[in-house]
Amino acid sequence: KQEVTQIPAALSVPEGENLVLNCSFTDSAIYNLQWFRQDPGKGLTSLLLIQSSQREQTSGRLNASLDKSSGRSTLYIAASQPGDSATYLCAVPYNNNDMRFGAGTRLTVKP
Amino acid sequence: GAVVSQHPSRVICKSGTSVKIECRSLDFQATTMFWYRQFPKQSLMLMATSNEGSKATYEQGVEKDKFLINHASLTLSTLTVTSAHPEDSSFYICSAVQGTNQPQHFGDGTRLSIL
Repeated sequence: KQEVTQIPAALSVPEGENLVLNCSFTDSAIYNLQWFRQDPGKGLTSLLLIQSSQREQTSGRLNASLDKSSGRSTLYIAASQPGDSATYLCAVPYNNNDMRFGAGTRLTVKP
Repeated sequence: GAVVSQHPSRVICKSGTSVKIECRSLDFQATTMFWYRQFPKQSLMLMATSNEGSKATYEQGVEKDKFLINHASLTLSTLTVTSAHPEDSSFYICSAVQGTNQPQHFGDGTRLSIL
C-alpha cells in the first residue's frame, strides 16, 4: 500500500527566505510525482509534475526533485513571498490512475 | 490546458436533503474521473473511481448507496450525496484523466455544509 508523508506539517518563514518542503513515499514503483498548491477553501493547482525518469523539474522560483530509489521528493521555493502562503501537497499515482496524497505542508510567509 | 469544471462551488442545505455535484471536463474526454473528500486540515481521500459507462468503484468504507456516482458521458460525472447529514459536511473535489498514466486535472471543489 502506498503511503505518502509530508514534513513539516506546518512552516512559517519571513519573506525572502528560501525553503524546502519534503515528501516521502513507501512504494518506489511510481511513474510520476506531482506537487500541488491548495489555498484555503479552494481546489488544487498543479505546480510541478516529475516523471519517474526525471530527477527534477523547475518552474519559476519552484524546483522539485525526485529520488525514486529512496522514496523522496523535495519542493524548493526560492525567495519566498507572502503570496506563496498556502498548503502544498505532494501526490503519487497508485493503482491505475488513482493518486495518494500527503497530508500537506501549511506554509505561511510573513511580510 | 485541460480544464475541469466543478459545480456548485458551495452548497448549504438542511439535513435530509440530497445534493448533486457535477464534474465536467471542458476540453478533453475523461475516460476516468475520481471523487475525493477532504476534511479540514486533512489531505484528500479518494472516495471512488468512475469510468464512463460503468459502475463506480468505491474505496473501502465509502457507502455506495450514500454517495451515488454517475458517469454517463466522457465529459460528465456526478456525485449525489443522498439524504445528507451534518457528518457529510466536507469539501468534495473531483478530478479527470484522459487515458492511463496521465496527470489528473482537478476541479475547484465543492464546499458542502449540512445544517
